[in-house]
Amino acid sequence: DAKTTQPTSMDCAEGRAANLPCNHSTISGNEYVYWYRQIHSQGPQYIIHGLKNNETNEMASLIITEDRKSSTLILPHATLRDTAVYYCIVRLLNYGGSQGNLIFGKGTKLSVKP
Amino acid sequence: DTGVSQDPRHKITKRGQNVTFRCDPISEHNRLYWYRQTLGQGPEFLTYFQNEAQLEKSRLLSDRFSAERPKGSFSTLEIQRTEQGDSAMYLCASSFSWDYTDTQYFGPGTRLTVL
Repeated sequence: DAKTTQPTSMDCAEGRAANLPCNHSTISGNEYVYWYRQIHSQGPQYIIHGLKNNETNEMASLIITEDRKSSTLILPHATLRDTAVYYCIVRLLNYGGSQGNLIFGKGTKLSVKP
Repeated sequence: DTGVSQDPRHKITKRGQNVTFRCDPISEHNRLYWYRQTLGQGPEFLTYFQNEAQLEKSRLLSDRFSAERPKGSFSTLEIQRTEQGDSAMYLCASSFSWDYTDTQYFGPGTRLTVL
């Protein structure tokens, strides 16, 4: 089972920041938080991941709380093309590899409206 | 970098027929994963390979399903005696295990419809 809880759906106005929350209260010390998104009828697309520090790349920012029990994915200026299902995934990583598969929940359906 | 490719993109078959899907990973990636996704659900893990070796199989991978990666490059997923419940999107992903993050990159998927 997925180790994360996300809202089923969210709306965001075009041009505004989209803040997608994720709860992972049972996360362990060597588990990372990954975010993927899936635009309709396409394969999932990797967005960002982090362990405990905040992370930023060209797509998004990831804010992880100090206790690591929750995180927020931020799309700073949402566009209509950001409409997708966003998945928050907790994954074990250790030196030399990972646990293998990703465990997806149902994600958050983000609708960006004009 | 051409990304992960999958073929065919769509497949319609009749119940009881066999189908085979192909996945070509990103060229330097040594890990390859198969997932299945039904409507309204997130992808579910089926199996994964590191090079030629199949390292893990989900209980979802019944004996009608078989996956191969004979030369450690492309992979095939075969479903024998298809059932209507096999209708789903079949997704392939690849990663580079020596990259500490081992990030998985997905292909566009093959949508299977069993009539």
